Amino acid sequence: DAGVIQSPRHEVTEMGQEVTLRCKPISGHDYLFWYRQTMMRGLELLIYFNNNVPIDDSGMPEDRFSAKMPNASFSTLKIQPSEPRDSAVYFCASSLGGVFSNQPQHFGDGTRLSIL
Amino acid sequence: KQEVTQIPAALSVPEGENLVLNCSFTDSAIYNLQWFRQDPGKGLTSLLLIQSSQREQTSGRLNASLDKSSGRSTLYIAASQPGDSATYLCAPMMNRDDKIIFGKGTRLHILP
Repeated sequence: DAGVIQSPRHEVTEMGQEVTLRCKPISGHDYLFWYRQTMMRGLELLIYFNNNVPIDDSGMPEDRFSAKMPNASFSTLKIQPSEPRDSAVYFCASSLGGVFSNQPQHFGDGTRLSIL
Repeated sequence: KQEVTQIPAALSVPEGENLVLNCSFTDSAIYNLQWFRQDPGKGLTSLLLIQSSQREQTSGRLNASLDKSSGRSTLYIAASQPGDSATYLCAPMMNRDDKIIFGKGTRLHILP
């Protein structure tokens, strides 16, 4: 199993540009999670999907952030326009059956985003 | 609002020692609690998951305990090895929703 695959691994862009982060979950997993990790705030849940449908996006910081899951094998997190305070490591995770099934979440290696 | 505290924030110990990492949480209405490991530049790896009805879970040299009523969990690592060097995060999940709340972790360095 290839695990959760995220791309790109690193992204450096200028303030105001659109940023798109991509995630391929583990095949067969029906839950997908997007997290953001910073030194100050630690790891925070942004949004999660069940069977491609967004369930809870209360962690999305602003309208500049949007996430989609057009099919079971692909999700994107988009920031438009980007700002320096968006600089962080963004993780995607997937799981089988959701958290109430007591199944662990499997994380990708993250995208390190730097907004100049 | 659930708050998760991990103490110490960083720890350096010689190889071979047994050690304990501590986690406390303010809201005891949890469904389960996980301990994760994070290596530099990598994502998180789930080490142990303790259901709220359980007191402990073991995997190899790792043992995690849970005292839900007092809001505490510990991760015990036996016979530490340099390969155990990583950041360890405690993460309780609340009963009321699907969200996992992460602590900021304990950065562990095992000296060879």
